[in-house]
This record gives sequence, structure tokens and C-alpha cells, in this order.
Amino acid sequence: EDQVTQSPEALRLQEGESSSLNCSYTVSGLRGLFWYRQDPGKGPEFLFTLYSAGEEKEKERLKATLTKKESFLHITAPKPEDSATYLCAVQPPAGGTSYGKLTFGQGTILTVHP
Amino acid sequence: EAQVTQNPRYLITVTGKKLTVTCSQNMNHEYMSWYRQDPGLGLRQIYYSMNVEVTDKGDVPEGYKVSRKEKRNFPLILESPSPNQTSLYFCASSQQNIRARELFFGEGSRLTVL
Repeated sequence: EDQVTQSPEALRLQEGESSSLNCSYTVSGLRGLFWYRQDPGKGPEFLFTLYSAGEEKEKERLKATLTKKESFLHITAPKPEDSATYLCAVQPPAGGTSYGKLTFGQGTILTVHP
Repeated sequence: EAQVTQNPRYLITVTGKKLTVTCSQNMNHEYMSWYRQDPGLGLRQIYYSMNVEVTDKGDVPEGYKVSRKEKRNFPLILESPSPNQTSLYFCASSQQNIRARELFFGEGSRLTVL
């Protein structure tokens, strides 16, 4: 069974204090790893897709990286509006019976204080 | 505006009273999926559909049914709800791209079963 583990469960930062969130996974032959942002009372919102080890994607203060075992979401000089729950999800290899499955981690709750 | 619409947004019901949560998307997406979100357990996939008349089980399908008679609609049916189905439910859709699973989520439906 695919496993996705995110750490830490919660992270509190001061505005401007850079840090990283971790997503480790056990899927072999990963087809894609996804990062989502979820605000309270809302559905998750897509951020990034990473397909292969060494790949990096950036968006404003966020940068996602991928290795063979884990992904990091780096937050540079965060602002209070970056406060949210960040979710990662993995998609298993094509073929087989799990083609449409997507497994999410439990998320990291990020709070950025002014 | 591209969106995934769920109804109802909030529902309190009693054990055993059949209910349906509707989900509709206006993006002509082939892929649709249902998730439940519980504290400490994250998002767990209930069912997914690769296209019209094609559905498959996710990780937690027990107690739920789905149907996909039209491309835009993917209702979630609880034939005999029980208190352990009290949860926040999300519907999501995406294009049927072999590499992508960039999901668009609805706003969520909070269900309480007494």
C-alpha cells in the first residue's frame, strides 16, 4: 500500500523566517507527486506537480523539489498570507488497478506570525 | 467560471436515512473523485471515475456508492448512513491526462450523522 508521510504536523514561523516542509513516500515507480494548499473551510488548491527526481518547481515564495524518496516544499521569507495546510499527494505508476488512485499525506499546518 | 459544485454544503441526518451528495463540474473533465477528510487522517479517496460509466474503488469505499451517468455529474450515495461517516467530503475533477492529476476541488460538504 502506498504511504505518504508529511512532517512536521505543524510549523510556526515568524514572518520572513524561511523553512521547509517534508513529504516522504513509499510508492515505487512514482508517476507524479503533487502539492496542494488548503485554507480553512475550503477545498485544496493545486500548487505543483513533480514527475522525476531532481525536478524543481517555483511559485512566488514556494519552491518544490523531488528526490527518489521524498519531496520538500521550501518557503522563502514567508508572509502571514502563506498560513494554510499544505498537502502532498502521490500518484502510482500507470497500469494496473490503481491507475486513478491518488494518496494524500496528512498535511502540515503552517502558521506565519507577523 | 471553472468550478466544482457540491450540494449540500452542510447536512445533519440520522442513522439509516439514505442521502445523496451531488457533485457537478463545468470543465468537461473526464476524471472525477470523492474524498473524505477527517482530523488526523487527512484526505482519503472513496471512489473515482475515469470517465462516464467507469468507476472504481478508492481506499475507503465501504458504505458508499457512486454513479457516473453523465460526464459533468458524480453523485455520492450513502444508502444507510452511520455515525462513522460523519466527515467533511470533497469532490474533485481533472483532465484525463496520463501524467497529470491536477485536481480541482469543490468547497466541501460537511455531513453529520446522528
